[in-house]
Amino acid sequence: QQQVKQSPQSLIVQKGGISIINCAYENTAFDYFPWYQQFPGKGPALLIAIRPDVSEKKEGRFTISFNKSAKQFSLHIMDSQPGDSATYFCAASRGGRRALTFGSGTRLQVQP
Amino acid sequence: NAGVTQTPKFQVLKTGQSMTLQCAQDMNHEYMSWYRQDPGMGLRLIHYSVGAGITDQGEVPNGYNVSRSTTEDFPLRLLSAAPSQTSVYFCASKRTDSYNEQFFGPGTRLTVL
Repeated sequence: QQQVKQSPQSLIVQKGGISIINCAYENTAFDYFPWYQQFPGKGPALLIAIRPDVSEKKEGRFTISFNKSAKQFSLHIMDSQPGDSATYFCAASRGGRRALTFGSGTRLQVQP
Repeated sequence: NAGVTQTPKFQVLKTGQSMTLQCAQDMNHEYMSWYRQDPGMGLRLIHYSVGAGITDQGEVPNGYNVSRSTTEDFPLRLLSAAPSQTSVYFCASKRTDSYNEQFFGPGTRLTVL
């Protein structure tokens, strides 16, 4: 049972464009929703995270939009740069002591 | 701080061989976990631990054993390797007292022939 569904599987964006990656979850007990960024040959690293008490969180060019009623959240990368080319994973968990459940990943390629 | 370290970085095994993937962290994190990453399947949890002496199974535990004798170390053992265990393995750690960042190691790429 895939508890966190992520789309698209891959994404090609022109430099300066907006990259949008979507995730949907099933478990209403999830209360922590991070996004991880992974470069080839490296481990994932936390990019940005949100709790369900807010509908949006912005850090620089990266924004999470959260829709609790639809059980969906998305990552928006504004002014996408070639250095943003990486694989992005959404995740969810129930509380701080619980394991993260990851989406299947989105491979983003930003063309110069 | 070195963060989360993993050894080896690459390993090739023959079917039926055993080995231990090492993981250590120097951040005094209570929570440690092992994931495997396969194309198109994201990261799947194998085993996790919320403290020394406490371990539990994740989503895909079959064929793997773990133990947690110290806060710093969390080794993953493959008792009898199978080709289906060919994957990239990541160890991670975090604090458990709140919604804290989970830190990942650099990974071990394992090939089972």
